[in-house]
Amino acid sequence: LAKTTQPISMDSYEGQEVNITCSHNNIATNDYITWYQQFPSQGPRFIIQGYKTKVTNEVASLFIPADRKSSTLSLPRVSLSDTAVYYCLVGDSLGGGNKLVFGAGTILRVKS
Amino acid sequence: NAGVTQTPKFRVLKTGQSMTLLCAQDMNHEYMYWYRQDPGMGLRLIHYSVGEGTTAKGEVPDGYNVSRLKKQNFLLGLESAAPSQTSVYFCASREVGNSDIAFFGQGTRLTVV
Repeated sequence: LAKTTQPISMDSYEGQEVNITCSHNNIATNDYITWYQQFPSQGPRFIIQGYKTKVTNEVASLFIPADRKSSTLSLPRVSLSDTAVYYCLVGDSLGGGNKLVFGAGTILRVKS
Repeated sequence: NAGVTQTPKFRVLKTGQSMTLLCAQDMNHEYMYWYRQDPGMGLRLIHYSVGEGTTAKGEVPDGYNVSRLKKQNFLLGLESAAPSQTSVYFCASREVGNSDIAFFGQGTRLTVV
């Protein structure tokens, strides 16, 4: 499972766009990049996944450059309810990545 | 569709007591996981299973045992609880394939006094 590095915390204000970057220099060819969101006292929940270029859903966008050594989670116009911990994971179950190991994540604090 | 259900939601144990946490999933997932999360910390993998009848150690397996007798259930046991095992425990199940999408339960808050 590729090691990931994220900022420990970020602060933002309501209505702003937030970009959280994750570094994964040793990503393997078969690896996908997956982001989870965890609110206090809840289990993490899947928010977005991608392999290359750009992926967008109703919650966020994920930008992945051609070399795939990093990825950026973009949250448009955040609100107070987006305050949470965001985890970046890289791996592939078929490639032997049976473990699902979470790093420390990024604490996002949205202020009014 | 219930997803991943953990039982119980809260529990207080005395040091030395034993207990079993139950995780049940109805999505027919092969992989299941147990994590613990201490206040202000990230999730740490305790044990995991890649299929019925299989278990494997994670990052912090000491003091815990697990069993996966049925595909839909993953049990976490504490044989002799210690105050250091006070934590929130999360279970997850995961699709098999070229993805890492996992689904988590609501957590079990365990206090050992």
